[in-house]
Amino acid sequence: EAQVTQNPRYLITVTGKKLTVTCSQNMNHEYMSWYRQDPGLGLRQIYYSMNVEVTDKGDVPEGYKVSRKEKRNFPLILESPSPNQTSLYFCASSLQRGVDTQYFGPGTRLTVL
Amino acid sequence: GNSVTQMEGPVTLSEEAFLTINCTYTATGYPSLFWYVQYPGEGLQLLLKATKADDKGSNKGFEATYRKETTSFHLEKGSVQVSDSAVYFCASSYGNNRLAFGKGNQVVVIP
Repeated sequence: EAQVTQNPRYLITVTGKKLTVTCSQNMNHEYMSWYRQDPGLGLRQIYYSMNVEVTDKGDVPEGYKVSRKEKRNFPLILESPSPNQTSLYFCASSLQRGVDTQYFGPGTRLTVL
Repeated sequence: GNSVTQMEGPVTLSEEAFLTINCTYTATGYPSLFWYVQYPGEGLQLLLKATKADDKGSNKGFEATYRKETTSFHLEKGSVQVSDSAVYFCASSYGNNRLAFGKGNQVVVIP
């Protein structure tokens, strides 16, 4: 089954404790992206990647890192999480770097205390 | 820059009622336009899209027409069901497959 998976689905952590949210897709997609969803703000892009070893900042990259060492994986790293990073996070992928339908993962709900 | 505006507030309506959710966009160039739907506890799924002016996207009884003259892409459905209860996001493409999303509208359909 074609899908985007994220782990963990739920995470509660404390300020300053490094964490990684994994994202994997099995569709051989070139393009991957991370978004955060906050009430009243919709979805905002954090980082995106157009292919292996090619990443770029989105609209709200501060406090986040990403890597793209393999085509299928695109982890989101919070080196020192803070409470303002409490949010619902979505990973997405699409086949081409041009305009194409994006497929979303199920989301990771992160709470930083 | 690119941005998308959706009408404010949740939408509550009765089963079989007509649904309209307004969406307008600002963009340089000619973006593709999308409606995504998010069911409770799930990620977003593409509902429909249109890639050029006057195109109509349609799926599951939902329709939206790309109106360049009014920079709009309003979502409509003639007769909603309880199963249509979800959050609906309008989005506009820009750059390298980037999407600008609206804030979303919660739709609640009452039996």
